[in-house]
Amino acid sequence: GQQVMQIPQYQHVQEGEDFTTYCNSSTTLSNIQWYKQRPGGHPVFLIQLVKSGEVKKQKRLTFQFGEAKKNSSLHITATQTTDVGTYFCAGDTGTASKLTFGTGTRLQVTL
Amino acid sequence: NAGVMQNPRHLVRRRGQEARLRCSPMKGHSHVYWYRQLPEEGLKFMVYLQKENIIDESGMPKERFSAEFPKEGPSILRIQQVVRGDSAAYFCASSPRPGNEKLFFGSGTQLSVL
Repeated sequence: GQQVMQIPQYQHVQEGEDFTTYCNSSTTLSNIQWYKQRPGGHPVFLIQLVKSGEVKKQKRLTFQFGEAKKNSSLHITATQTTDVGTYFCAGDTGTASKLTFGTGTRLQVTL
Repeated sequence: NAGVMQNPRHLVRRRGQEARLRCSPMKGHSHVYWYRQLPEEGLKFMVYLQKENIIDESGMPKERFSAEFPKEGPSILRIQQVVRGDSAAYFCASSPRPGNEKLFFGSGTQLSVL
């Protein structure tokens, strides 16, 4: 079945440093979504990418979808303590069924 | 417009008992998804339902687990004869359209089996 892996599993940064998480799918995706889950909370939608090579920005967050539509990345510039949480990518193969979530990257930010 | 409502937030059951988890989707949403999350792990898909229909239950164990989304009322995830390995957070999500639209998640039900 479809597998979606993320690296790193965990990253600890000082506030102000940059952070990147990478997402890789075993199959080609029709689109990819990113979610953030704060500690003790529930996943919250961040963004969806659909086109090959697409790049989208949300303030300090930059999202990319690979040319082959099998990988994606999320980059945070100048992290803040409010960025703490686990970031999940989620992809589908266009079967109009389920989203397969990645393994997640937990980000810890300290002052 | 209320978000996705799940109850209870916490549920404690002894081995062998039944657990019933409820999910009311956002108003206007007729597509419901159930995911399971173990501590420090990702979200594992269990089942996708539309009103009165199970669309995809490929992630749900064949035994002891069942799900429904009746014409009236919330979606129910039922786990019969719970075992310790069922302890996890169960999240429900809803979307307004079929296909992989943006999902709106509830706050989850934390199931603990003693």
